[in-house]
Amino acid sequence: DADVTQTPRNRITKTGKRIMLECSQTKGHDRMYWYRQDPGLGLRLIYYSFDVKDINKGEISDGYSVSRQAQAKFSLSLESAIPNQTALYFCATSARGGTRGANYGYTFGSGTRLTVV
Amino acid sequence: KQEVTQIPAALSVPEGENLVLNCSFTDSAIYNLQWFRQDPGKGLTSLLLIQSSQREQTSGRLNASLDKSSGRSTLYIAASQPGDSATYLCAARYGGATNKLIFGTGTLLAVQP
Repeated sequence: DADVTQTPRNRITKTGKRIMLECSQTKGHDRMYWYRQDPGLGLRLIYYSFDVKDINKGEISDGYSVSRQAQAKFSLSLESAIPNQTALYFCATSARGGTRGANYGYTFGSGTRLTVV
Repeated sequence: KQEVTQIPAALSVPEGENLVLNCSFTDSAIYNLQWFRQDPGKGLTSLLLIQSSQREQTSGRLNASLDKSSGRSTLYIAASQPGDSATYLCAARYGGATNKLIFGTGTLLAVQP
């Protein structure tokens, strides 16, 4: 089984619909992230969470919300999907870094390809 | 502003050639730098992670180097194979409140048989 699992793998939805992307992990990591990837723009951070009670906006959070239901689960919602939210979405995890900084890498899921028509 | 740049954007080489992919970052205060591989439409697979205190890391035919003072990292691939064809992404990890991972836009590598 994958360390970081995203569902669904692919989704086509209509403009204005609410949609939820889910992420679960077996890494035991405290920190979880949602990124989106667009051609030519690279990966951009949407939201991140350092523990169950912690939610933080990334650089492109408008139009999105998240929920950290448990240490292992982090879901991303689009309240009212619009076509420019068509992208490849990635969930990622990392371990806590400690006072000297992060000594660990990130682990990414396989991605959810979302198309808003 | 913390930015990561990868050059070239695309590269095509014949099988068997040794090659170097470049990554540069504007803020040298990184915690670590991670190289990923991404196949078309797929997720990111971590290849190598270099801590800020390290100069290089090796895994099989891959070698990644880090020079913080010049803001550069390179990924060296020896004896390239068609199966190496993919997009290679570098990402610099910074601390602070965000503990942010900043990605480059990637190098698309095609290894011709």
